Amino acid sequence: NAGVTQTPKFQVLKTGQSMTLQCAQDMNHEYMSWYRQDPGMGLRLIHYSVGAGITDQGEVPNGYNVSRSTTEDFPLRLLSAAPSQTSVYFCASRRGYGYTFGSGTRLTVV
Amino acid sequence: DAKTTQPPSMDCAEGRAANLPCNHSTISGNEYVYWYRQIHSQGPQYIIHGLKNNETNEMASLIITEDRKSSTLILPHATLRDTAVYYCIVRVSYSGGGADGLTFGKGTHLIIQP
Repeated sequence: NAGVTQTPKFQVLKTGQSMTLQCAQDMNHEYMSWYRQDPGMGLRLIHYSVGAGITDQGEVPNGYNVSRSTTEDFPLRLLSAAPSQTSVYFCASRRGYGYTFGSGTRLTVV
Repeated sequence: DAKTTQPPSMDCAEGRAANLPCNHSTISGNEYVYWYRQIHSQGPQYIIHGLKNNETNEMASLIITEDRKSSTLILPHATLRDTAVYYCIVRVSYSGGGADGLTFGKGTHLIIQP
């Protein structure tokens, strides 16, 4: 039982490049979400999904797209990376009350 | 979701009880209190949650005042591995519908001293 798996763990992008951060969970959780964490700050919600085929925006959705074609996967796409998107990204899933978080992807945009 | 206020940092001696306070004076009747912690840039970890009764699990105890305007997370015998940022979060019950996800503040950096 792997829990929530995020890949890659580290990534450096050039401004304007696009990429996809992967998130997969093997717990059959309905709810999944993406957060970003900037230095010295708490996590901020980017997008969330309440089930396959259903997504919605969180607090800071601009510059990011998501889709949920399966229960297991919830990828986060950066359309055109900007230095302001340099951050640590966390994916999470839940069925009941408590979220299970992945170990994060540290992204640097230069 | 109601806003929470936590001290930015606290110290506690190893082996002693760590008591982390949280004020949530604008909490609504259908909002729960959740606690998570984040150890050194790892993903946050769920600890405990409650509505109005005190709660205890294998990790911690949660004491909520009768007026529900504040709460305290208690780690009964703190160890060095409990050094982390602790987040107090207030939100409606997940079964009540509405947006999913959590709203994190800056939390309390708890440092356990040897």
